[in-house]
This record gives sequence, structure tokens and C-alpha cells, in this order.
Amino acid sequence: GAGVSQSPSNKVTEKGKDVELRCDPISGHTALYWYRQSLGQGLEFLIYFQGNSAPDKSGLPSDRFSAERTGGSVSTLTIQRTQQEDSAVYLCASSPGGGWDTEAFFGQGTRLTVV
Amino acid sequence: AQSVTQLGSHVSVSEGALVLLRCNYSSSVPPYLFWYVQYPNQGLQLLLKYTTGATLVKGINGFEAEFKKSETSFHLTKPSAHMSDAAEYFCAVKASSNTGKLIFGQGTTLQVKP
Repeated sequence: GAGVSQSPSNKVTEKGKDVELRCDPISGHTALYWYRQSLGQGLEFLIYFQGNSAPDKSGLPSDRFSAERTGGSVSTLTIQRTQQEDSAVYLCASSPGGGWDTEAFFGQGTRLTVV
Repeated sequence: AQSVTQLGSHVSVSEGALVLLRCNYSSSVPPYLFWYVQYPNQGLQLLLKYTTGATLVKGINGFEAEFKKSETSFHLTKPSAHMSDAAEYFCAVKASSNTGKLIFGQGTTLQVKP
């Protein structure tokens, strides 16, 4: 597609449920990133994919969080046993590569609310 | 390790006035710096970036930023604010050449008053 697409745009879930967030990157972009934007924490890096591999998972906050990428394209971020502190906007970005000066293009985000 | 500090979480200017959003960085390697803008309920859009070369960088929508190594700063400016500039602005530094991940500042919300 023309840009990075994320779905759903909004998700309300009950505490303890699992959720899946989807990201469709720009076609041909090998690098894919997940970030979390929450009040008081700003924008935090979660995970980086190069192709289907995730060489940097250092930002995942707990083992309840996992992500995968298939076919070098679509990525899914899964949060198990959601907690209220997981409420945030989850942003996906893609870029042609992971180098110093490559630009990251962001999707509109998924707003997750845990009630 | 790299880090970014944005001075002022909220900035308010009058329409037509100068916009100045401050960003200071810390980096153990030559920094690659970015400014992104986020309009309500939208993702981040790149305004401009500094990689190498000219230290005064021009971006979209009339914004520019100057990289000052001696001051470890990358402040964003626009000579004359428009109502449409009201948004949240994020300064970021590339954390790694291997991954390209970004380290963001806390963001500055720009309010433009008529």
C-alpha cells in the first residue's frame, strides 16, 4: 500500500484478555519497528525486525509481549493477559533498511484501552 | 548511549509569531537527528532530518532546524506560526547503525493562538 497500515485503529479489551495488533508495512521495506506511546512514558521502542528476524527485542516490557513478522511483510504484536498499564497507542514504522540515515515511516497507530 | 531532552512540554505562540522548540541530545557517536510532527489521532510524520553536511536543515511546512555540535542542540524553528502548526513535535536521535531504532524526546505540544 501507499503507507504503513495498522489495524485495528482502536481496541478496547478487558483486563486479562489477549490482544493482537497488526501492522502492514510499506511494500519493499525490510525494516519494521514497534513503538509504544503512553502518557508519562513518551515514545518507547519495543522491537525491531529486519526481514523476519528480530535482532533487537530490548524494548519489550515483559514476557507477556511478543511479536512476529512473516513473509518479510506483515507483523503482529501480541499482548497476553493484558493489564491496565498496557493501555497506550502502539505505533508501527517501516523503513527501507536499518541504517543511520534511513527514514522511518509511521502508521496511524492502534489505541489500546484495557478496562 | 543516546538520549534526547525536549525543553518545555507545552509551548504557546500567537499566529504569525516565531516558533522555537528546543531539543538537546546526548550521543556517544556522531548523531543522526530527526524532528517528527504528530497531528491529533495520526501517526508521526517526518519534518526534517540531519545526517551529515550542512548544519542548517530545511524541512516541510516552513520548518528548519540547526545542528549545533558545541551546544549538543537541534532546535526547531519556523518564522511565522500558522494555526495548522498546532500539533505535538518530537525530536529523536538514531540509537544504532545496526538497527536504526529511534530514541525520542518526551514531545512538545505546540499551541497556536489566533
